Amino acid sequence: EAGVVQSPRYKIIEKKQPVAFWCNPISGHNTLYWYLQNLGQGPELLIRYENEEAVDDSQLPKDRFSAERLKGVDSTLKIQPAELGDSAVYLCASSHGGSPLHFGNGTRLTVT
Amino acid sequence: GQQVMQIPQYQHVQEGEDFTTYCNSSTTLSNIQWYKQRPGGHPVFLIQLVKSGEVKKQKRLTFQFGEAKKNSSLHITATQTTDVGTYFCALSSGSARQLTFGSGTQLTVLP
Repeated sequence: EAGVVQSPRYKIIEKKQPVAFWCNPISGHNTLYWYLQNLGQGPELLIRYENEEAVDDSQLPKDRFSAERLKGVDSTLKIQPAELGDSAVYLCASSHGGSPLHFGNGTRLTVT
Repeated sequence: GQQVMQIPQYQHVQEGEDFTTYCNSSTTLSNIQWYKQRPGGHPVFLIQLVKSGEVKKQKRLTFQFGEAKKNSSLHITATQTTDVGTYFCALSSGSARQLTFGSGTQLTVLP
């Protein structure tokens, strides 16, 4: 089976610019997660979707971050405007029925 | 929120030596998962523990869940260079979908 696909793999932008990340989960996985991972730290949950519904977005900085999962499949995560502190790896993961998470390769964001 | 402590943060071992990482929670857990992340890679699922006192083995890896379901350990016997990476525990005190990751233990194996 194909794994979780994320794009782009790398992104470099100037501060105050917008940026968007895309994720295609494993087929049939109804739960989709966006995590942020800083260097040397564990993944931190930004938002979790059950199908198309965002069920846990308490850690999402809603003033600048937004996410959507139209039709309960693909998802996009957007930052507008980006700040220097947003530089990190953004990981998407999916699971089915409480099964373990399958992660994508992530998008490494550098904000200059 | 749920507090997770994972120690040590770093561990350097000589190839062939053993390695252990510990994960502690401030709350009673429903389950714990372990993931491995190779340098430059993404976390990959290793195992899930659900029962109090549970012990599971995968070749040279031994995973244990504490009797009180508040802590867990991962032990690697006779490390190899292929074991290099960061090992994360991921905790859940409710639904398995609600996971909190530890900060990880970065393992370096010296040949």
